[in-house]
Amino acid sequence: GIQVEQSPPDLILQEGANSTLRCNFSDSVNNLQWFHQNPWGQLINLFYIPSGTKQNGRLSATTVATERYSLLYISSSQTTDSGVYFCAAYRDDKIIFGKGTRLHILP
Amino acid sequence: NAGVTQTPKFRVLKTGQSMTLLCAQDMNHEYMYWYRQDPGMGLRLIHYSVGEGTTAKGEVPDGYNVSRLKKQNFLLGLESAAPSQTSVYFCASIKAGTGNTIYFGEGSWLTVV
Repeated sequence: GIQVEQSPPDLILQEGANSTLRCNFSDSVNNLQWFHQNPWGQLINLFYIPSGTKQNGRLSATTVATERYSLLYISSSQTTDSGVYFCAAYRDDKIIFGKGTRLHILP
Repeated sequence: NAGVTQTPKFRVLKTGQSMTLLCAQDMNHEYMYWYRQDPGMGLRLIHYSVGEGTTAKGEVPDGYNVSRLKKQNFLLGLESAAPSQTSVYFCASIKAGTGNTIYFGEGSWLTVV
């Protein structure tokens, strides 16, 4: 089945810094989605992005489907951005998650 | 509109006991999924269903069974719980077709002692 790898596994940044999170997938996908899991365990939908670029405030995402990767950009980080970021790839009716990137934003 | 609801939210089981987790969605979604989340492992797919009466194995199906007798409900069963099944379980649903977003329940914390 499809493999989804995320990097880096952990990231510690000072408030105000920018960051780039990467998601590689081993095969073509029907869709790709980014999520943020907050400290209470809730999974928040960030982007539905099978290809192209989308922006939502300080967050943006780019998926290059032909090269099988997606990037999540966070600009001007805030402490509330802390948590785990997951990408999930859709293929053959399955939705497979990466292991996530744990982001710590220091005040 | 409740979205995706999981019950129970917390449960402690003894090794060898059985239990069922219920996932209910009120959005008329065709596809439903059960995941487990362990520290550092992300969400791993246990079983999924593409419609009423159908189920399929995911990445880590051993030790679990599922049923989808009604479109709105997806049940996850542990016949003989083991400590290795201590985890947080998430249910999700999505409407069939492209361009649709997945919706998650709030999670069920299960401890097997």
